Amino acid sequence: GQNIDQPTEMTATEGAIVQINCTYQTSGFNGLFWYQQHAGEAPTFLSYNVLDGLEEKGRFSSFLSRSKGYSYLLLKELQMKDSASYLCAVMDSNYQLIWGAGTKLIIKP
Amino acid sequence: IAGITQAPTSQILAAGRRMTLRCTQDMRHNAMYWYRQDLGLGLRLIHYSNTAGTTGKGEVPDGYSVSRANTDDFPLTLASAVPSQTSVYFCASSDGQGNTGELFFGEGSRLTVL
Repeated sequence: GQNIDQPTEMTATEGAIVQINCTYQTSGFNGLFWYQQHAGEAPTFLSYNVLDGLEEKGRFSSFLSRSKGYSYLLLKELQMKDSASYLCAVMDSNYQLIWGAGTKLIIKP
Repeated sequence: IAGITQAPTSQILAAGRRMTLRCTQDMRHNAMYWYRQDLGLGLRLIHYSNTAGTTGKGEVPDGYSVSRANTDDFPLTLASAVPSQTSVYFCASSDGQGNTGELFFGEGSRLTVL
């Protein structure tokens, strides 16, 4: 079966750095996505990785290793507004998105 | 403001009743999707449409139906609601170009079936 694993919850301090990991086992691979979802709101797109390596976008970076079935989302200079759930999703060989359950990130002052 | 509009935002429904969740987008996206989101689970695809006039079944289609008469609208119907359909429902769209797959989501419809 297809599976996306990410931690259920993480806590970090304002101004610090946090890394949210995602491991996957899917039927084929056509890209990995990270979305941010604030409580009670819709998910919004953060990043897309299809090749190995690091993609940087401001305070957020996303890394992919296809051989290891592994990705992480790195958030720097954490702000209180970064408190949200972070969803990892993989596009399989049928171009369908398989979603992880999300990681709830709690930022403390 | 361009985007996706869902209605209603919240609804309490008696079991056995019929319910249609509406979804409209003004971005002229080809592909549209309906997901449900339940605590502790990832988003699960109910139905999708790659283009107007076509629909397909997702991971959890039973008890739901959709139609895609035009590009903008993609309603989701529960023919006879059951308590297990209590969930938050998200409509989404993508332009379907290439494989970047970025989805744009509506604000969600919270449905409670009693």
